[in-house]
This record gives sequence, structure tokens and C-alpha cells, in this order.
Amino acid sequence: QSALTQPASVSGSPGQSITISCTGTSSDVGSYNLVSWYQQHPGKAPKLMIYEVSKRPSGVSNRFSGSKSGNTASLTISGLQAEDEADYYCCSYAGSSLWVFGGGTKLTVL
Amino acid sequence: EVQLVQSGAEVKKPGESLRISCKGSGYSFTSYWISWVRQMPGKGLEWMGRIDPSDSYTNYSPSFQGHVTISADKSISTAYLQWSSLKASDTAMYYCARRHSYGYYFDYWGQGTLVTVSS
Repeated sequence: QSALTQPASVSGSPGQSITISCTGTSSDVGSYNLVSWYQQHPGKAPKLMIYEVSKRPSGVSNRFSGSKSGNTASLTISGLQAEDEADYYCCSYAGSSLWVFGGGTKLTVL
Repeated sequence: EVQLVQSGAEVKKPGESLRISCKGSGYSFTSYWISWVRQMPGKGLEWMGRIDPSDSYTNYSPSFQGHVTISADKSISTAYLQWSSLKASDTAMYYCARRHSYGYYFDYWGQGTLVTVSS
């Protein structure tokens, strides 16, 4: 059960859009539409941003969206804002009541 | 209001035992699985395992199986993560997280417990 693969860092200017990829295998991301994304600001607990690939919890901005193709899921943030600067983690259900996280991506808003 | 409140920071020596806790409130504790997630200093999140508080059934990531024990006391709505013999490499922040009732994601998180293991 290896960690999902995310880019270590991405960056964008305010107002721009960025996409963070999350690559797994046919045993996790590819098998289930059960990818979730979490935002973590320094010193804070993670916060759910996207679940079941593309659904947004109540209270999360519609600037955040998710998608999946094959073994790769993606998180897109449009209209970047300074407060979006944080670490982002994908997570996939891997069957048999097991979960796996991605290595995390640091988003810098230039 | 749903809350997961974790026990405070711990400083331990290698070889010592430790149990940290996660108390749920504002919801039916036995209706939601609790997972534990490790975050080593400057590193990413790692799913460690989970417990169903209704029957204390557990699953562990292969990476953590045999190294930690997850338990729960439903009478006091509290889940636990314990070590019998700590190592320096156990130094990390540990989060508990609640699995959504019928979903496969974590909707509420504890504030984290920092465990420092140093001689």
C-alpha cells in the first residue's frame, strides 16, 4: 500500500487557476470514486475540501473542484486567493477498510 | 456541534509506553468509525488504522500493523492510540479523524497530539 503520488509543490498568481494531480493505482484511485482532498494550513488540522472525487462539503468555496480519470485524480482551484496557500492532500479508499493518502502538495500563491 | 478533542502533548523516552486519546462529542460516538493519522515533522499525512467504536473492530495499515494498537471505550466516547515501546521515529503529530457515516472520507478532525520521543 504505497502513498499516492502528488507533485511536491505548485504555484500560481492571485486570480489564476491551478491543478494538483494525485496518481494512484488500479487498487485504490482507479477502483473507487472515493477520492477526497484535504487542505492543511501550517499548525492546523486538515480540513475536508472535496469528497467522492468531485463533491464539495457545505461551506467550501465553489472555486474548489475535483475530477478523476483512470488512476489519477485532480484538484483544481480557480480564482486563486492568498488564503488558499496551504498544503493539500489527496486520499483514496483502498478497499478492505483501508485508506491511503498522497504525499502532499504545497501550494504557493505568488 | 461535533468535536473531536485530543489529549495533550507528550514527551517520552525511547522504550516507554504511551496512550493518547480522542474524545468525541456532539454526535453518536458508536455510529462513526475513528481513524488515526500520523504526520511526522515536515512530512505528509499517513493513515494508520481505524476502529469501529460500536464493536471495537479494527483495521491497520500494513505500515503500522503490530507497531500500534487502536482501541475505544464507547462508555466515555473515547478512542485511543497506544504504543508499548516508543522509538524516536514515533515522534510526530497524531490526528484522529471521524469517517463520515456512509461515506469514505473524514469529515471531522481532532486538533492533533504532538508526541516527542527523545532520550
